[in-house]
Amino acid sequence: QKEVEQDPGPLSVPEGAIVSLNCTYSNSAFQYFMWYRQYSRKGPELLMYTYSSGNKEDGRFTAQVDKSSKYISLFIRDSQPSDSATYLCAMRRGGGNKLTFGTGTQLKVEL
Amino acid sequence: SAVISQKPSRDICQRGTSLTIQCQVDSQVTMMFWYRQQPGQSLTLIATANQGSEATYESGFVIDKFPISRPNLTFSTLTVSNMSPEDSSIYLCSVEGSGTGTYEQYFGPGTRLTVT
Repeated sequence: QKEVEQDPGPLSVPEGAIVSLNCTYSNSAFQYFMWYRQYSRKGPELLMYTYSSGNKEDGRFTAQVDKSSKYISLFIRDSQPSDSATYLCAMRRGGGNKLTFGTGTQLKVEL
Repeated sequence: SAVISQKPSRDICQRGTSLTIQCQVDSQVTMMFWYRQQPGQSLTLIATANQGSEATYESGFVIDKFPISRPNLTFSTLTVSNMSPEDSSIYLCSVEGSGTGTYEQYFGPGTRLTVT
């Protein structure tokens, strides 16, 4: 079993929709949770970085962490075609540097 | 966040040869890392590049296959040695400890390697 599970998609939504992207994990030692966006043939771009449980909002993006369920989410409001990319969740243990990634969810926002 | 560049951006190599990938950061950083991204798989950490000492390798990766150098706080190289088609992948460097956001990791654009 992988430490981090993420539905690969593809996920196709109309412009303006609310997008929900999710990851589950099995290692309760993970303390820091991240979401990266990766456009085709580019490196991953850090979108959101959260510590422990709770919500964090940045513009149209909201990251949610539920440590009791080992479940994290990224919500994108008013989705735009420019949001079309692969979204990677990542997490790390407290005191560690190694990031453990999900496989990524491919998102397509259509006009 | 730091600006990270990688050279080459892509290459096609013959099996049995070696390729050295460079990672340059525009500011001093505490930590530098090398990851591999294979099609349909998650990013996997190869090693942590330590300045002035030997790199720390993850399980499944060895120094003879992936020698790494980090001569200073802004530069690192990863060599993929004695390549086989299974080494075809995207190789990414990442950095941590640059300015604000000390524990945030930022990635370079990647090097797309094809081994024939």
